[in-house]
Order: sequence, then structure tokens, then C-alpha cells
Amino acid sequence: DQQVKQNSPSLSVQEGRISILNCDYTNSMFDYFLWYKKYPAEGPTFLISISSIKDKNEDGRFTVFLNKSAKHLSLHIVPSQPGDSAVYFCAASTSGTYKYIFGTGTRLKVLA
Amino acid sequence: NAGVTQTPKFQVLKTGQSMTLQCAQDMNHEYMSWYRQDPGMGLRLIHYSVGAGITDQGEVPNGYNVSRSTTEDFPLRLLSAAPSQTSVYFCASRPGQLGYTFGSGTRLTVV
Repeated sequence: DQQVKQNSPSLSVQEGRISILNCDYTNSMFDYFLWYKKYPAEGPTFLISISSIKDKNEDGRFTVFLNKSAKHLSLHIVPSQPGDSAVYFCAASTSGTYKYIFGTGTRLKVLA
Repeated sequence: NAGVTQTPKFQVLKTGQSMTLQCAQDMNHEYMSWYRQDPGMGLRLIHYSVGAGITDQGEVPNGYNVSRSTTEDFPLRLLSAAPSQTSVYFCASRPGQLGYTFGSGTRLTVV
């Protein structure tokens, strides 16, 4: 039972345009969400997070939006750069459970 | 500051062999976890620990053991390796409810 789903395995975007990566979850108890970026042969690196008390969080070119009623979050990258080409994972957790559940990942390719 | 260090980086095992994947962090983080990454499956939680002496099972714990005798170390043991355990293994640590810092991974092949 996949509690965190990333339905798009891959996405290609032109440099300078917006990249939108989507994530859906099924467990309504999740209250903290994160995005990670992973380059080949490296471990994932933390990108941005959002608590369920917010619906938006920004950090430079990266913005995460949370729609609790739809159990959906998205990561926007504006403008996209070739260095953003990587696999992006969303993750979710419930306060007090200490477990982060990851999605299957979306491979983003930014075309120069 | 080394962060999270995993050894070895690569390993080939024969079916039935045992081995320990090492993980050490020097950031004094309370929480540590082991994940495995498989194509199309994302990162799946194997075991996690909320502090020295405390461990618990994740999503896919079968075939793996862990212990946490110190804050720094969180080894993952495969008691009898199976081909289904061929994967890339990541150890991660974090201080409270913040993002994990991941190690660079161990690529394990079981033949």
C-alpha cells in the first residue's frame, strides 16, 4: 500500500521555465512533508519542507504548496536550471511516529 | 564535519552469506534510519532508531537486523543474504523533526 505517490516518473522542462512536481498521499494523519533531490551515485539531499498548518513555503527558486483537502502537494521550481536535473522525492510523516515515508520519485530533466 | 558515513560503498555477496553495513554520523543526531532504493519503488524504510538503545521496524524489515548502542553508529545486518536484497542502501540521520541527512549509499548485489 503506497501511502505517498508520485505518479509522474519523469518530466522534461526547458531551461528558464517552471517545473512542477506533484505528490499525492493517502494517510490523512500525515502532517509534515518534505522534498528531496537526488543526483546519481549520491544520497538524497533535503530541499524544502512544509508543515500541515501552512499551505505554502518558499525558499529561493523552490516553493512547496500543500492542499490538505486534496491530499496533494507540489514543488515548483522557477526558473528551472540544468543543474536542477535530478530525481525528486517527496516524503511525509506524522508527528510522534518518527517515520518518514517516501514516494517513488520523479526524474526531472531540464533542457538547455 | 563528515556528516553520515556509510561503508562499504559496494559489496557483492553470495546467497546465504551474512554481512553488516556500517553507518556513522558525527552530528549528534537523535534519529537514524536505513532505507533501500529499488527501481520504481522509491525509498523504503527498513528500520529506524529514535536514540541509543531504541530501534523499531519500518516498511520492509524482514531479513534485516539493527542495533543502536551509541548515538553515532547504526549498523544494518543481513543475516542470510537473498537476491531480493540486491539494492542500494542509504543510512540517514536527523535532529528532531527536520530533514534527514543521507549518506552516499551502499550498492549491494546478492548473487
